[in-house]
Amino acid sequence: AQKITQTQPGMFVQEKEAVTLDCTYDTSDPSYGLFWYKQPSSGEMIFLIYQGSYDQQNATEGRYSLNFQKARKSANLVISASQLGDSAMYFCAMREGNTGGFKTIFGAGTRLFVKA
Amino acid sequence: NAGVTQTPKFQVLKTGQSMTLQCAQDMNHNSMYWYRQDPGMGLRLIYYSASEGTTDKGEVPNGYNVSRLNKREFSLRLESAAPSQTSVYFCASNRDRDGYTFGSGTRLTVV
Repeated sequence: AQKITQTQPGMFVQEKEAVTLDCTYDTSDPSYGLFWYKQPSSGEMIFLIYQGSYDQQNATEGRYSLNFQKARKSANLVISASQLGDSAMYFCAMREGNTGGFKTIFGAGTRLFVKA
Repeated sequence: NAGVTQTPKFQVLKTGQSMTLQCAQDMNHNSMYWYRQDPGMGLRLIYYSASEGTTDKGEVPNGYNVSRLNKREFSLRLESAAPSQTSVYFCASNRDRDGYTFGSGTRLTVV
């Protein structure tokens, strides 16, 4: 069965520094996708970045990068040059397979606090 | 662009009452989803619809029903609300393997 684990309930980072949010996953399907979402205190869910299981290079989107280590089944999110607006809840998620409705499971989340 | 629109944003129900949460997307996405979010548990899938005319159960479907009315609309119905259904409900949609676009959520309290 597929599973997503985020072991850091909360993280602190100084403004302008980089931070890594951990995510490990478990699946027996060779085809899967990994996602990160941000949930600010206002409550909306915002898609940040995507990594496919067959992608050779780590995904990057602006200040976000995904450190994909397939053998270790980890998909850590790296945020460079943290900003106060990065303070939010971050969810790692996984979609298994290529058929059906592309349903996705989510981890429990990591709350990031950016300090001025 | 409206994206995914959910109504209502807030709702208080008494135990045993019924209600329907509405969701509509204007992005021509095939797939739509309903999740619930509870503290410390991330988001859990209730039901999803891979395409117009199809629906399937997710991880926590008990106590809920859904209708994919057309390609744009996917509603979630609580037939007899229970306090355990107090949660924040999110509708989402996507195209193929893309990330989800979420609605703004519905905060439901069952007393």
